[in-house]
Amino acid sequence: GIQVEQSPPDLILQEGANSTLRCNFSDSVNNLQWFHQNPWGQLINLFYIPSGTKQNGRLSATTVATERYSLLYISSSQTTDSGVYFCAGDPYNTDKLIFGTGTRLQVFP
Amino acid sequence: NAGVTQTPKFQVLKTGQSMTLQCAQDMNHNSMYWYRQDPGMGLRLIYYSASEGTTDKGEVPNGYNVSRLNKREFSLRLESAAPSQTSVYFCASSDNRHNQPQHFGDGTRLSIL
Repeated sequence: GIQVEQSPPDLILQEGANSTLRCNFSDSVNNLQWFHQNPWGQLINLFYIPSGTKQNGRLSATTVATERYSLLYISSSQTTDSGVYFCAGDPYNTDKLIFGTGTRLQVFP
Repeated sequence: NAGVTQTPKFQVLKTGQSMTLQCAQDMNHNSMYWYRQDPGMGLRLIYYSASEGTTDKGEVPNGYNVSRLNKREFSLRLESAAPSQTSVYFCASSDNRHNQPQHFGDGTRLSIL
């Protein structure tokens, strides 16, 4: 089956730093999405981004579908950005998402 | 607007007991999903429902059954719980006008002894 690789697996930042998270897919996917799981376990949909670039405040995401990867940029990180970031894609265009194993981000004051 | 609501939030079962996890959404979404998340891993799809009356298996359906009771509600049943089913279970929904984001409930933490 399709493999979803996220890097880095862990990231520690000081408040104010910028970071880039990467998601690679072993095959083409549709419906690529980024999620944030906060320390309380809640999953929040950050971006629906099958291709192109989107921005939402300090966060932005870029997907290059032809090269099967997506990037999530976090600028001026805050402690509330801590948690696990997941990417997910739909390899069969059936709305069934395959998730990566996540990047765990810790932001310290 | 509550979004996706899951009950219960926590549950402890003994091996062999049965249990139904409830999920309801108030966003008028057609598609609903059940996932499980094991420690240090991403989410894996258990079952999926594209519309009322239809269900489809995901990656890890063994040991589970689902019911799409109506457009709002999608339940997950463990008929005979096993320790391997200890996990956090998430329900999600999306508008299936093709390619729409999924919205998640807060999860049910289930432990099976």
